[in-house]
Formats: sequence, C-alpha cells, structure tokens
Amino acid sequence: DQQVKQNSPSLSVQEGRISILNCDYTNSMFDYFLWYKKYPAEGPTFLISISSIKDKNEDGRFTVFLNKSAKHLSLHIVPSQPGDSAVYFCAAKPQAAGNKLTFGGGTRVLVKP
Amino acid sequence: DTGVSQNPRHKITKRGQNVTFRCDPISEHNRLYWYRQTLGQGPEFLTYFQNEAQLEKSRLLSDRFSAERPKGSFSTLEIQRTEQGDSAMYLCASSVSGTGGSGYTFGSGTRLTVV
Repeated sequence: DQQVKQNSPSLSVQEGRISILNCDYTNSMFDYFLWYKKYPAEGPTFLISISSIKDKNEDGRFTVFLNKSAKHLSLHIVPSQPGDSAVYFCAAKPQAAGNKLTFGGGTRVLVKP
Repeated sequence: DTGVSQNPRHKITKRGQNVTFRCDPISEHNRLYWYRQTLGQGPEFLTYFQNEAQLEKSRLLSDRFSAERPKGSFSTLEIQRTEQGDSAMYLCASSVSGTGGSGYTFGSGTRLTVV
C-alpha cells in the first residue's frame, strides 16, 4: 500500500524554465511534508518542507505547495539549473510518528543546458 | 563532525551468508534510523532508535534482520542468511528528536548485492 506516490518517474526541462514535481498521498494522518534531493552515490539531502497548517512555503528557487483537500503537493523549481539534475523524493509524516518518514518513489529530473 | 558515516560502501555476498553494516551518526544526534532503498523506489523505513532504545520496527524487518545501538552512538544492522531479495541500498540517518524530518542527515548508504 503506497501511501505516498510520485506518478512521474522522470522529468526533463530546459535550463532556466520551471520544473514542477508532483506528489500525492493517501494517509490523512500525514501533516508534515518534505522534499529530498538525491545525487548518485550520495544519501538524500533535505530540500524544503511544509506543515499542513500552510499551503505554500518558499525557499529561494524552491517552492512547495500543499493542497490538503486533494492530498496533493508539488515542488516548483524556478529557474531550473543543470545542478538541479537529481532524483527528488517527496516524504510525509504524521505529527506523532517519531520522525519516521514515508517516501514516494522519486522523480528523476534532468535539466538540459 | 563529518556527518553520518556508513561502512562498508559496497558489499557483495553469497546467498546464505551473514552481513553486518555499521552506521556512525552525527555525535549529538540521539535518533538513528535505518532505511532500505531498492532500484526505482524511495527509501523504506526499517527501524529507529532513540539513544540505545529501539523504538519501532517495520514489518519489512524480518527475523533475519537485527539492529543494535548498544551505547546510543553507532549502530549495526545485521542480515542473516542473506537472500537475493535483500539486495538494496541500506541508508542510515540521524537526527535530534523534535526537529522534524528536516533534521535528518543521511549517510551515503551501503549497497548490498547478494549473488
């Protein structure tokens, strides 16, 4: 039972354009959401997060949007840069889960120069 | 502190052998997590410790898997009688309790190949 889904396994975008990554979840207990970025041969690194009390959080070129009613979140990267080429994972947790995260399957982003 | 360290980086073993991985977390982090990632999938939670106490285990963690964190510092993950299905990247992460998922620092992982 996949509680967090990233339905697009890959995304290709031109440098300077917007990258939009999507994530859907099914567990209503999830109330904190995160995006991680992973380069080959490295562990995932935290990118940005959002609490369920917000619908938007922005950090530089990265913005996460949360639609609780649709159980959907998205990550926008503007402008995309070649160094953004990586696998991006969406993750979620309930408030009282001891920080245990449930991850989506990832979206591989390729930014073309 | 150089972050979360995992050893070995790669392990190739024959089916039926036992393997042990080590994770050294960031020294001031009291929580330590083990995740498993197979090709094309996201990390899946296996277990976590707060200090030396193992507080939660996933049902993915069969009886062949055991994890310890004896002194609340480093942790080991042992897999007994390995099977080909155990081939995966085993990721360790650490955090300070109460910091939320953003406080996770992952290691680079141990890639296990069972032949």
